[in-house]
Amino acid sequence: QLQLQESGPGLVKPSQTLSLTCAVSGDSMSNGDYYWSWIRRPAGKGLEWIGRIYNSGTTTYNPSLKSRVTISVDTSNSQFSLNLSSVTVADTAMYYCARGVDLAIDSWGQGTLVTVSS
Amino acid sequence: EIVLTQSPDFQSATPKEKVTITCRASQSIGRSLHWYQRKPDQSPKLLIKFASQSFSGVPSRFSGSGSGTDFTLTINSLEAEDAATYFCHQTSSLPQTFGGGTTVEIK
Repeated sequence: QLQLQESGPGLVKPSQTLSLTCAVSGDSMSNGDYYWSWIRRPAGKGLEWIGRIYNSGTTTYNPSLKSRVTISVDTSNSQFSLNLSSVTVADTAMYYCARGVDLAIDSWGQGTLVTVSS
Repeated sequence: EIVLTQSPDFQSATPKEKVTITCRASQSIGRSLHWYQRKPDQSPKLLIKFASQSFSGVPSRFSGSGSGTDFTLTINSLEAEDAATYFCHQTSSLPQTFGGGTTVEIK
């Protein structure tokens, strides 16, 4: 069974870059039908889709974050990553990695809390 | 972006009762609407994809319907283990967006 596990710093200073990695286990990443997403939930707010990447490297980002987001994939090491630059307190959130297939999201990680604070 | 509005925000129901949750899209999304269940300290689970297709392993008491702007998730014969938050998700247009969630409590 597929497992997704987020990892990265839980505390990031304002103006710095938030970097998270999602380790994929229990299934191969090589299926070209899959895409890999990052989603976040700020405290007290709803889910926000950050973006996705296919194994081909094709990415799509939320326009509201596009100028600051980079998602990359490393299928040889079964992981994909999120970089969010120039963070502010508004980027404090629970961050989830997820797998999509046939557009729906069929697997989610447990989530990791990232706080932006000096 | 497409806004998904769920109702109600909270619902309390007894076991075996039928529960209906609605998700309304701010513009037509065809059938590109998916439903998830999230329990405390667990990752969300896909229940229904493309409005009415049951995901593998999901109990048959969960069903979905709708198209265009109005969608419904129905839980027939509610069970204690169904206490959770349910939310919808559209993939018709980018950015993908999510509903605010409906919390179902078992009386």
